[in-house]
Amino acid sequence: GDSVTQMEGPVTLSEEAFLTINCTYTATGYPSLFWYVQYPGEGLQLLLKATKADDKGSNKGFEATYRKETTSFHLEKGSVQVSDSAVYFCALSKGLNRDDKIIFGKGTRLHILP
Amino acid sequence: DTGVSQNPRHKITKRGQNVTFRCDPISEHNRLYWYRQTLGQGPEFLTYFQNEAQLEKSRLLSDRFSAERPKGSFSTLEIQRTEQGDSAMYLCASSPPDRVGYTFGSGTRLTVV
Repeated sequence: GDSVTQMEGPVTLSEEAFLTINCTYTATGYPSLFWYVQYPGEGLQLLLKATKADDKGSNKGFEATYRKETTSFHLEKGSVQVSDSAVYFCALSKGLNRDDKIIFGKGTRLHILP
Repeated sequence: DTGVSQNPRHKITKRGQNVTFRCDPISEHNRLYWYRQTLGQGPEFLTYFQNEAQLEKSRLLSDRFSAERPKGSFSTLEIQRTEQGDSAMYLCASSPPDRVGYTFGSGTRLTVV
């Protein structure tokens, strides 16, 4: 079945470091891909998305590119801040008018040290 | 847009009791989803409504679980005869018909003691 695999955490970085969180997926067809973020004590928020191959999603300095050839959607940020400390979830869905449920990875906890 | 609202935020119940959670989606969002998230895991799909019709149920949704969405507005998730393994965060989300990805509520944290 469809699934998402992301790197295990926790990931600990110093402020202003470069961030990469790896994510790969297994799915039939052409899924849409997402990164969601969960800050401490808060609900899940959509961080960015990409709906077709080679699309780049971006938001708040984070980026991820939909790579169909490697079935990957790695999350990157050039210079992290303490406020980026959160749990990040990679996810996929089959999109509009089809199976709409989102399948999540297990999450990667990110700690940014000042 | 007031967001997806879930009540209660926290619920502690004794094993064997029934509990009911409510979700109010963003107005005019015709799709509504329930997920369950246990500690250290990603959210797992439970069920999905389009308007008042329940279109899909996960095998995770045992016979003790039932969800409704009367009139296609708010939704309720009931768990009968709760077990300790039901302890989790129950998340609701909604989306309009023309958007990929959806908006989550803050969740209801259930603790079964």
